Amino acid sequence: NAGVTQTPKFRVLKTGQSMTLLCAQDMNHEYMYWYRQDPGMGLRLIHYSVGEGTTAKGEVPDGYNVSRLKKQNFLLGLESAAPSQTSVYFCASSYVAGGRNTGELFFGEGSRLTVL
Amino acid sequence: GIQVEQSPPDLILQEGANSTLRCNFSDSVNNLQWFHQNPWGQLINLFYIPSGTKQNGRLSATTVATERYSLLYISSSQTTDSGVYFCAVVGTDSWGKLQFGAGTQVVVTP
Repeated sequence: NAGVTQTPKFRVLKTGQSMTLLCAQDMNHEYMYWYRQDPGMGLRLIHYSVGEGTTAKGEVPDGYNVSRLKKQNFLLGLESAAPSQTSVYFCASSYVAGGRNTGELFFGEGSRLTVL
Repeated sequence: GIQVEQSPPDLILQEGANSTLRCNFSDSVNNLQWFHQNPWGQLINLFYIPSGTKQNGRLSATTVATERYSLLYISSSQTTDSGVYFCAVVGTDSWGKLQFGAGTQVVVTP
C-alpha cells in the first residue's frame, strides 16, 4: 500500500498562475483533508471531504477550491496564486468505524509551494 | 473549540537520554494522536491513543482521558528522534476534525 500520495512534491508559481495539487489514497478512506503548514501557525485545515462528491470548508478556505470526483482522489486548486499561499500543503485521510469518523489521520509527504 | 497545550515547547537531549512530552486538552475527546514531524517535514503517525497505554519500540504513550492529558515517552533517545512532536485531538462534539497542539521541538545531540 502506498498510503497517501501527493503530487507534485515541489512547485514554484508566479503570482496569478493557477495550479492543482493531487492527493490519492489507496486505503478506501471516506474522509480526506487538505492542510497548510506555516511557520509559527501550525497545521490549519483548508477544506475537507466526507465522501465522494462532497466537500466542505475548513478554517482557511479562501483562495482555494477542491473537488472529490472519485473516493480515492482529493484535488486542491489555486485559481490565481498569491504570495500568501506560499506554504507546505499536506493531504490526509481518515476512516469511519462504528458509523463515526475516527479522526485517525494518515498524512501524505507534503507539497512545498512557493509563489513569487 | 477544544484547546490543546503541549509542553515543553523545546527540548534538547543528549543521545541516550529519556524524556517525557505532555499534552493537555480542555474537553472530552474521542481521539488523540501523536505525530512526529521529522527534519525533512514528513508527518509520521506515532500513536492513535484516545485512552490507555501503547508502546512501539522505544516510544510509548499514555492517555488519561478522565484527567485530560496524554504523555509521550521517548527512551534511549537517538538523533533520528529529532523533530517536532505534535499532539492532536478530536473533541466528542466534533465531526472528526483534529485540533493540533503547537508541538514540542526536540533536538537530540550526539
